Amino acid sequence: AQTVTQSQPEMSVQEAETVTLSCTYDTSESDYYLFWYKQPPSRQMILVIRQEAYKQQNATENRFSVNFQKAAKSFSLKISDSQLGDAAMYFCAYRSAFTGTASKLTFGTGTRLQVTL
Amino acid sequence: NAGVTQTPKFQVLKTGQSMTLQCAQDMNHNSMYWYRQDPGMGLRLIYYSASEGTTDKGEVPNGYNVSRLNKREFSLRLESAAPSQTSVYFCASRLTGTNYGYTFGSGTRLTVV
Repeated sequence: AQTVTQSQPEMSVQEAETVTLSCTYDTSESDYYLFWYKQPPSRQMILVIRQEAYKQQNATENRFSVNFQKAAKSFSLKISDSQLGDAAMYFCAYRSAFTGTASKLTFGTGTRLQVTL
Repeated sequence: NAGVTQTPKFQVLKTGQSMTLQCAQDMNHNSMYWYRQDPGMGLRLIYYSASEGTTDKGEVPNGYNVSRLNKREFSLRLESAAPSQTSVYFCASRLTGTNYGYTFGSGTRLTVV
């Protein structure tokens, strides 16, 4: 079974600064997808960014980018120019690319990000 | 608005009571999921349904049952609620075989006293 580990329960960043959230995963599969989800106090789960394992290029979405290291099974999220609205719980998640797995998501335990003035 | 609708949003139960959490999606998704979220544990899969008429256990199925009533609806039932089932419950859906992502409901906060 796949596991996802987020070793930073809480992180803090000053507004306009850059912060990196860590995620490692364990799998024996070669093809899969990785995700970062944001959960603000409203509880809504919001997709931040997605990475396909077969793509070597790191995904980028505006101020959000990932550092995907397949061999190391590492998938970190970098938030540049942090804003107060970035304060939230962030979850790393894994999904197998193989059919028959019903596209189940496996989540890490989350990192709570605080943004200070 | 299109999406995943969960009801109720909040619920308090006494130990031993039963209840059903409702989930409906109007996006013609085939797969649906129930997760629970607990502090320090992330989201854990309770049950899922890959298609209408099928359901399977996830990581933490004990104490729960599910019904995939039709393609739109996937309900989660607690037959005899226990304090350990105090949690936030999320329903999600997805159209498998595509690059479309998951759509999550807004969650149900359940407290069992």
